[in-house]
Amino acid sequence: DAGVTQSPTHLIKTRGQQVTLRCSPKSGHDTVSWYQQALGQGPQFIFQYYEEEERQRGNFPDRFSGHQFPNYSSELNVNALLLGDSALYLCASSLAGTKNIQYFGAGTRLSVL
Amino acid sequence: EDKVVQSPLSLVVHEGDTVTLNCSYEVTNFRSLLWYKQEKKAPTFLFMLTSSGIEKKSGRLSSILDKKELFSILNITATQTGDSAVYLCAVVGGTSYGKLTFGQGTILTVHP
Repeated sequence: DAGVTQSPTHLIKTRGQQVTLRCSPKSGHDTVSWYQQALGQGPQFIFQYYEEEERQRGNFPDRFSGHQFPNYSSELNVNALLLGDSALYLCASSLAGTKNIQYFGAGTRLSVL
Repeated sequence: EDKVVQSPLSLVVHEGDTVTLNCSYEVTNFRSLLWYKQEKKAPTFLFMLTSSGIEKKSGRLSSILDKKELFSILNITATQTGDSAVYLCAVVGGTSYGKLTFGQGTILTVHP
């Protein structure tokens, strides 16, 4: 049973560029949440997708956007990258209507130069 | 705004020691508190504590929740080098759909 998978593992971009990160949820899960983890900090909630809609959003600017596909996989897009966007981006999946325990992928390490 | 504070921020012990990690929180309409272990990248789920389950135990790890005083502790007995990791505490509030608000984490280092 595959867990949460994310791609790519690492990514290097320059300021002003755009990036797309991908996430496949754990088998049987229908909800995907994205988190940003800066070095030495706990993860911060970006947004959550359920039934292909953004259900909840954290305190992140509109440069951060996402999408969920019919197969429940999800993408995170970040436009006009800033140096401060350098972080580990984690995807978590869960099953709505249950205990909502979120299971995390290994993340994508984004470096903005 | 929900808030989680963990202490200590870092801890160094020797194998066989017992450690206690602390997590205090402020949340609107508390639903649950979760503990995760993060070794390299992916946080792995340890425990979920709710109003109906305020104490959990799994092997050498155990956790309790005090809803009155708004804190939780994670105990690890007979520590091993494999317990070295960042331990994250997170809460879910009643107005959310499962959004996790994390603390900064506690870095645990276990020396042989």
